[in-house]
Amino acid sequence: GAVVSQHPSRVICKSGTSVKIECRSLDFQATTMFWYRQFPKQSLMLMATSNEGSKATYEQGVEKDKFLINHASLTLSTLTVTSAHPEDSSFYICSALKRGSADTQYFGPGTRLTVL
Amino acid sequence: AQSVTQPDIHITVSEGASLELRCNYSYGATPYLFWYVQSPGQGLQLLLKYFSGDTLVQGIKGFEAEFKRSQSSFNLRKPSVHWSDAAEYFCAVGSPSGNTPLVFGKGTRLSVIA
Repeated sequence: GAVVSQHPSRVICKSGTSVKIECRSLDFQATTMFWYRQFPKQSLMLMATSNEGSKATYEQGVEKDKFLINHASLTLSTLTVTSAHPEDSSFYICSALKRGSADTQYFGPGTRLTVL
Repeated sequence: AQSVTQPDIHITVSEGASLELRCNYSYGATPYLFWYVQSPGQGLQLLLKYFSGDTLVQGIKGFEAEFKRSQSSFNLRKPSVHWSDAAEYFCAVGSPSGNTPLVFGKGTRLSVIA
C-alpha cells in the first residue's frame, strides 16, 4: 500500500497568525504532491502542485504569497497559511503521486483549519 | 478541459437495497477514473479505479463500477447497501500520465435509512 499522513489533523489559530501543515508520504517517495481545499459540503478544489526541488505551481486565483508551499524532500511537502483570516478556515487535503506502472495519487487524511 | 459531473447531489436508499451513483466525465483521451468515499470530517478513501482493461472494476467494501466509453460514464454500484455506507462519494478523472491533479465531481451524499 501507500500511506500519506498529514499533520496536524486539526488546528485552531487566531487571525493574523501563520499555520504550517505537513504532508508526508510514509512508504514511498513522491516528487509531486498536490494540495486541495475543500469547503463545507463542497468538492475538492486544487490549490497548487508541489514539485520536489522546484517552485510550486498555483492554480488561478490562489495567492502564492498567502499559501506558501515547500517541497523540500521526496517525502515531505508543507503548506503554510500566512496571516490567516477566518475565510481561510477550511479542510485542506494533500495527495502524493506514487509513480509506477500506473501512477496513482494517494490522499492524506486532511487538516481542518479554523481561524478565529 | 477535463470535467466530472455527478448529477445527483443527495441520494437516500434503504438498508439492503441496491445503489447506483452516476458519474459522467469529459476528457479528450482515455481517462483514468476513480471513485472515492469521504466520511464526515475525514479524508478520502479510494474505493476503486479504472486505468484500462476490463471495464467492470471491483473495489473495496463490495463496490463496483463500470466504464462505458460510449456514454462517458463511470457509475458506481453496490448490490446491497449497509448503514455504514452513508457518506459522501466523489468521482474523479485524471490523465493517463498520472502526474496531473485529479478533477473531482461535486460529490453525491448518500443517506441510508432503516
